[in-house]
Amino acid sequence: DAKTTQPPSMDCAEGRAANLPCNHSTISGNEYVYWYRQIHSQGPQYIIHGLKNNETNEMASLIITEDRKSSTLILPHATLRDTAVYYCIVRVRDDYKLSFGAGTTVTVRA
Amino acid sequence: EPEVTQTPSHQVTQMGQEVILRCVPISNHLYFYWYRQILGQKVEFLVSFYNNEISEKSEIFDDQFSVERPDGSNFTLKIRSTKLEDSAMYFCASSDLLVPNTEAFFGQGTRLTVV
Repeated sequence: DAKTTQPPSMDCAEGRAANLPCNHSTISGNEYVYWYRQIHSQGPQYIIHGLKNNETNEMASLIITEDRKSSTLILPHATLRDTAVYYCIVRVRDDYKLSFGAGTTVTVRA
Repeated sequence: EPEVTQTPSHQVTQMGQEVILRCVPISNHLYFYWYRQILGQKVEFLVSFYNNEISEKSEIFDDQFSVERPDGSNFTLKIRSTKLEDSAMYFCASSDLLVPNTEAFFGQGTRLTVV
């Protein structure tokens, strides 16, 4: 019962912004949008999360549409080290487990 | 920067043997998890642990699996009688319960190979 839909793969040029889309049309009011990434079978790494406002940290920006049915993760200046599988996860506030989907395989090319 | 540490990084075991995977969560964290990832597949939740008991477990976490926090720092996953299909990467994670909506920090994983 996938709660999110992501494209299976995308390429990005080094130094350019990478915009990763995610659809979560059935999201409910108490569910947050989380982004994690996994670099080559390492442990997943937290990137950012949000509820309804746009968020920014040192790694990325998260843009959530007003109806909250979709979001975009923005890596402002992609580097080769950003090549990874990126997971968009919808999570209820008090549900501490994470349900990973297939994610988007992002390849940053020189 | 604090990190979750897992040992060993790679474990090879014979089918039917017991294995214990070890994790040292981040020291002030209170919530602990195990996930697994079979090669080429999704990361799957196994179990969460809080206040010295299991708070939630998935269907994968059957009677062959158990978790323990034997002391103040370690968190272990035991597989009693391993099967070939238990071969996977096993990730430990921890989070700070006291911080709402906090992220989980993952270790680098233990690659378990059952032969």
